[in-house]
Amino acid sequence: AQSVTQLGSHVSVSEGALVLLRCNYSSSVPPYLFWYVQYPNQGLQLLLKYTSAATLVKGINGFEAEFKKSETSFHLTKPSAHMSDAAEYFCAVRPPGKLTFGGGTRVLVKP
Amino acid sequence: GAVVSQHPSWVICKSGTSVKIECRSLDFQATTMFWYRQFPKQSLMLMATSNEGSKATYEQGVEKDKFLINHASLTLSTLTVTSAHPEDSSFYICSARIPVSYEQYFGPGTRLTVT
Repeated sequence: AQSVTQLGSHVSVSEGALVLLRCNYSSSVPPYLFWYVQYPNQGLQLLLKYTSAATLVKGINGFEAEFKKSETSFHLTKPSAHMSDAAEYFCAVRPPGKLTFGGGTRVLVKP
Repeated sequence: GAVVSQHPSWVICKSGTSVKIECRSLDFQATTMFWYRQFPKQSLMLMATSNEGSKATYEQGVEKDKFLINHASLTLSTLTVTSAHPEDSSFYICSARIPVSYEQYFGPGTRLTVT
C-alpha cells in the first residue's frame, strides 16, 4: 500500500524567501506523484505532477519539485515566496489504486 | 484544462433532512468520479469511488446507506447525505478522472452545515 508523509503541518516564510515543502512517499510500484494547492473554501488545484519522465518537474506559479527515488522524496520548492502563495499544499501519490494524500502543509507568508 | 463543478457551493440544512450535492465534469466525460470529505485543517478522506452505470465502491467505515452516490451519466455524479446530522457537517469535494488518464480534476467543494 502506498502512503504519503508531509513533514511540517505549518510552514512560515517571509515574502521573497525560499519555500520548501517536504514530501516522502512509499509505494510498492513506481509512483505517480502530485502536488496540489488549496485556497480557503476551495477545491484542489494541480500544481505539478511527476509521471516517470524528467525527475525535475516544473509547475504553475513558479513551483517545482524533484523526484528522488533513492530518498523516496518529492519536495516542492519555490525560490521566492509571494503573498498569494499562502494556502494549504497537499502531496499525493498513485498508483496503485486510488490517489492517496498527505496530511497537508499550511503555508503562511509574512510581509 | 478540465473543469469540474459542484452545486451547491454551500448548504445549510436541518437535522434529519437529506441533501443532494451535484458534481459535473464540464468539458470532458468522466467514467470515474470520486467523493472526498475534508474536516477543518485536515487532509482529504476518500469516501467512495463511483463508476458510470455501476454501483459506487465505498471506503471502509463510510456508511453507504447514509451517503448515497449515483453516477448516472458520464458528466454527472451526485452525493446525497440522507437523514443528515450535525456530525455530517463538513466540506465535501468531488473529483473526476479522464478515462485512461492518471489525472484527477477536483471540484470547488461544497460546505455542508447541519443544524
